[in-house]
Amino acid sequence: QVQLQQSGPGLVKPSQTLSLTCAISGDSVSSNSAAWDWIRQSPLRGLEWLGRTYYRSKWYNDYGVFVKGRITINPDTSKNQFSLQLNSVTPEDTAVYYCAREPCSGGSCYSSDTWGQGTLVTVSS
Amino acid sequence: QSVLTQPPSASGTPGQRVTISCSGSSSNIGINYAYWYQQLPGAAPKLLISRNNQRPSGVPDRFSGSKSGTSASLAISGLRSEDEADYYCAAWDDSLSGWMFGGGTKLTVL
Repeated sequence: QVQLQQSGPGLVKPSQTLSLTCAISGDSVSSNSAAWDWIRQSPLRGLEWLGRTYYRSKWYNDYGVFVKGRITINPDTSKNQFSLQLNSVTPEDTAVYYCAREPCSGGSCYSSDTWGQGTLVTVSS
Repeated sequence: QSVLTQPPSASGTPGQRVTISCSGSSSNIGINYAYWYQQLPGAAPKLLISRNNQRPSGVPDRFSGSKSGTSASLAISGLRSEDEADYYCAAWDDSLSGWMFGGGTKLTVL
C-alpha cells in the first residue's frame, strides 16, 4: 500500500520560497509506472494541479500553466521522496498543498489515486 | 473560474438517487478520461471514479460514472448520510497540458 507523508513549514513570508517534501513508502520515486504530483487547494482557486516529476529512462517535469516559471519539483532517489519549491510567493499562494501519486501504464497516466495528508501553508508577514 | 464546470450544490434524501454533472470541452473531457473525487471535511480528496466509469477497489457500487461528449456525470444511488461531502471532477487538458479540476459540488443529504 502506497503512503505519502508530507513535511515542511506552514508559514512563509511574502516574496520568499515555499518548500515542501513528500516521502514515499510502498513505491519508488523512480518507478516507471507512476508520476509524482503536487496539487493545492484554496477557497479562492479551488483544486489546482501544480506539476509533476517522473522517471522514464531519464527525469521529466511538467508544470501547470498557472505557476510555470515559479515552480520546481525535484526527486530525491536517496531518500525516496520528492519536493516542491514555489518562488516569490504572495498571499494568493496560501492553500492546502497535497502531494499525490499518478498511476501510469502503457505510456499513459491517470488521475492521482493516492494523496498525502495535506499541509496548510499560509503566506503572511 | 474552473476549466471544468460543476453545479455548486446538490441535495437529496436518504435512499434517493442524485446526479452531479461536469461540463468540459473538446480539449479535456471530449478526448480524455473523466475522474471523480469525494472529499470529506478536513481530508484529502479520495478517488471515487477512474477512467469515466471504473470504481477503485473499496468504492461501493452505489457510485457510478458516465461520459458523453464533453460532459461527465457522477450518480449516487441509495443515498446515505455519509455521502454528504464535496465532489470534484477532473480531466487532463491537452491544450493546457495539465490536470484540471471542477469547482466542486457540495452534496447535502437532507
